Amino acid sequence: KAGVTQTPRYLIKTRGQQVTLSCSPISGHRSVSWYQQTPGQGLQFLFEYFSETQRNKGNFPGRFSGRQFSNSRSEMNVSTLELGDSALYLCASSGQGPHEQYFGPGTRLTVT
Amino acid sequence: SQQGEEDPQALSIQEGENATMNCSYKTSINNLQWYRQNSGRGLVHLILIRSNEREKHSGRLRVTLDTSKKSSSLLITASRAADTASYFCATVSDNYGQNFVFGPGTRLSVLP
Repeated sequence: KAGVTQTPRYLIKTRGQQVTLSCSPISGHRSVSWYQQTPGQGLQFLFEYFSETQRNKGNFPGRFSGRQFSNSRSEMNVSTLELGDSALYLCASSGQGPHEQYFGPGTRLTVT
Repeated sequence: SQQGEEDPQALSIQEGENATMNCSYKTSINNLQWYRQNSGRGLVHLILIRSNEREKHSGRLRVTLDTSKKSSSLLITASRAADTASYFCATVSDNYGQNFVFGPGTRLSVLP
């Protein structure tokens, strides 16, 4: 089985712009979660989608949004980028239930 | 505040030695999982231990869980240079809506 893939792997954006990141889960997995990882805050949960519905949401501002498509692929969008949004964005997929998650390699976003 | 906290923050050992990392958490959990992350990459699932289990083994890994103390430990025996990575514990709890809550991680360096 192919693993979780994320595109793009690296991204440089300017403050005020918006960005869309993509995640393709492992075939058959219906849950996709997104995390932000920074040196200062560590791994923080953004949101989780299951069968095209947002099932859980972390404590992030409304500039962070996501969606999931019928094939379980997911996108996350960050609008009006701030310098503090520079981070490694990780997505993870899992089967039904709180079982182990399988992570993608991440998208490194740099905001200048 | 974070559900999970790893201890120590950093650990440096020689190849062949054992490495022990600890994780403490604050609320009751459904399960606790350990993940490894090589520098700037995605996380790899290592082991899952359920709240009704006390110990679990996987190869050179041994995980214990003490729900009365709300703590877990990860032991890596006969460490290798390839074990150099950051190790995270993640808790899954009804209190957090079944979200994965990650601790800040332990940075392990195994010196050849």
